Amino acid sequence: QPVLTQSSSASASPGSSVKLTCTLTSGHNTYIIAWHQQQPGKAPRYLMKLEGSGSYNKGSGVPDRFSGSSSGADRYLTISNLQSEDEADYYCETWDSNTRLFGGGTKLTVL
Amino acid sequence: EVQLLESGGGLVQPGGSLRLSCVGSGFTFRSYGMSWVRQAPGKGLEWVSAIGSGGSSTYYADSVKGRFTISRDNSKNTLYLQMNSLRAEDTAIYYCAQLVASASDSWGQGTLVTVSS
Repeated sequence: QPVLTQSSSASASPGSSVKLTCTLTSGHNTYIIAWHQQQPGKAPRYLMKLEGSGSYNKGSGVPDRFSGSSSGADRYLTISNLQSEDEADYYCETWDSNTRLFGGGTKLTVL
Repeated sequence: EVQLLESGGGLVQPGGSLRLSCVGSGFTFRSYGMSWVRQAPGKGLEWVSAIGSGGSSTYYADSVKGRFTISRDNSKNTLYLQMNSLRAEDTAIYYCAQLVASASDSWGQGTLVTVSS
């Protein structure tokens, strides 16, 4: 089964852009993932589903500032024009025939 | 609007049992797979269990296999998680999630389970 690897932390300034990475283990390059946002003290929120081709489908109400892309085993979440409310933990998720798993999460700080 | 409301959490002693519930509204509950995900204090998300739309297909993380049982009552729009032989490491917020095209699309607000003597 796949494993998802995420950097533990990232930071960027308000108004800038940041690109978060979720890396699948070798041999799982074609896996679809989902990105979720968890603001402090809140439940997770689904952001988008992202395919290996780079095609993505966002959840209802997710701002245009959020986009996804892919390259090989890497799945990216790009947040443009960073806002203070984007400060949160971001998790990637994938699934297999009978299991699901999450990456360790990236804590994004908006400086 | 999809809404998921968990309940049933609380304080339980090691070795004890709890049953969590998750009531879904705003969507055709019987048409979707559902999942339980937990988050230990200060830690990341951990998938616990999933169930198919009809209830006959169930899946578990190795950490809970043999101790937890997922089920659903589509007539009541309710998902359950029966947790037995609880351990301190099961302490976490438990979230239910609606699975849409396999992804965890909507999440509940969570219910806290504390396993302690």
